[in-house]
Amino acid sequence: EPEVTQTPSHQVTQMGQEVILRCVPISNHLYFYWYRQILGQKVEFLVSFYNNEISEKSEIFDDQFSVERPDGSNFTLKIRSTKLEDSAMYFCASRGDRGGNQPQHFGDGTRLSIL
Amino acid sequence: TQLLEQSPQFLSIQEGENLTVYCNSSSVFSSLQWYRQEPGEGPVLLVTVVTGGEVKKLKRLTFQFGDARKDSSLHITAAQPGDTGLYLCAIGVNTGTASKLTFGTGTRLQVTL
Repeated sequence: EPEVTQTPSHQVTQMGQEVILRCVPISNHLYFYWYRQILGQKVEFLVSFYNNEISEKSEIFDDQFSVERPDGSNFTLKIRSTKLEDSAMYFCASRGDRGGNQPQHFGDGTRLSIL
Repeated sequence: TQLLEQSPQFLSIQEGENLTVYCNSSSVFSSLQWYRQEPGEGPVLLVTVVTGGEVKKLKRLTFQFGDARKDSSLHITAAQPGDTGLYLCAIGVNTGTASKLTFGTGTRLQVTL
């Protein structure tokens, strides 16, 4: 079964450094998402992406965050200047169509640790 | 913002026991999804319920959507250690051109031998 893959599985970065988290969504999917899960807390929506532009972003997704789909396969999340509170699991998800009942398929996440 | 409250927050039971976890909201929603998340992995979809009063079964798991579509439950019969994990309910919110998922607070289940 096709799956969403994320790299790296664990990223350790110094505070203030830039980090790029990578995702390869399922190949025929059209909608792409990033979610965040701080340790012990619930999964939170960050951003959705469709037709090469951001569809919606949460208040967490401030100017330090950006997303890109540079080559039609990879979907990246960049944090320009990381803060301690950015430490979390970051999940990428993709979905095939717009229907609200269609499931999103999640990757196994990247654990981001900011020192 | 719709809030999904799940209860209990934690549940530790022995193999063979039955359990029910709940997902409640003050708002009506058109559909609800249940996910299970294991440590170090992303959420994996278990089921989507759409119709008020709907009951779906997945082996030993029974999912019910409330008649008023404001709540849902997950019942596990004869729990096994492999059922251990974080159970999340989520609703799709159709805003903009893409729907996003709003997750509940989760129920962490541990099944011991």
